[in-house]
Amino acid sequence: SQELEQSPQSLIVQEGKNLTINCTSSKTLYGLYWYKQKYGEGLIFLMMLQKGGEEKSHEKITAKLDEKKQQSSLHITASQPSHAGIYLCGADMGQGAQKLVFGQGTRLTINP
Amino acid sequence: GAGVSQSPRYKVAKRGQDVALRCDPISGHVSLFWYQQALGQGPEFLTYFQNEAQLDKSGLPSDRFFAERPEGSVSTLKIQRTQQEDSAVYLCASSLTRWELFFGEGSRLTVL
Repeated sequence: SQELEQSPQSLIVQEGKNLTINCTSSKTLYGLYWYKQKYGEGLIFLMMLQKGGEEKSHEKITAKLDEKKQQSSLHITASQPSHAGIYLCGADMGQGAQKLVFGQGTRLTINP
Repeated sequence: GAGVSQSPRYKVAKRGQDVALRCDPISGHVSLFWYQQALGQGPEFLTYFQNEAQLDKSGLPSDRFFAERPEGSVSTLKIQRTQQEDSAVYLCASSLTRWELFFGEGSRLTVL
């Protein structure tokens, strides 16, 4: 969706390095969801952010929602092969969490 | 089962054929969603059920697409007279809360 842009579209990093994926919206975000998808599999829920300035962490993954609630970033510290996959941000743009708008995804490859 | 189950996982159809895709949500989840994911893109919302009621079908791309959930549990997405542009992965998700969607592994449809 052009309403929600992810960058970069693909990312190759060496194991152990840190990385950041961005998700930018053209509209105010009422809720921002991060999912991970492996090829041929469904989406796995990572985190949800709602409040401007909110930050959440799970293991080595941290997500933030900026104060203006139009951009979120996902940061992985000390990347591991298990982090490889496609990361998708999904947004509630005012129509409710039941009708998420997704970005096009960021394909992450971890090189040993 | 423990997760959302979708069948068939893979379906090849000739153009013009009708197809039916099944989704078994997590037991007790009242909300059920269908999304369409084209190759290299993020999922796009198709329709949403709360129990047996279809509350939003605004994402269905044409009147060839039809979804039902007659008993508030299993759902079927039917596509009539399939076209090549219908080729995609069809994802089903269920939810108990409004926040966390649990996705199935998807049904990959290829229309020749």
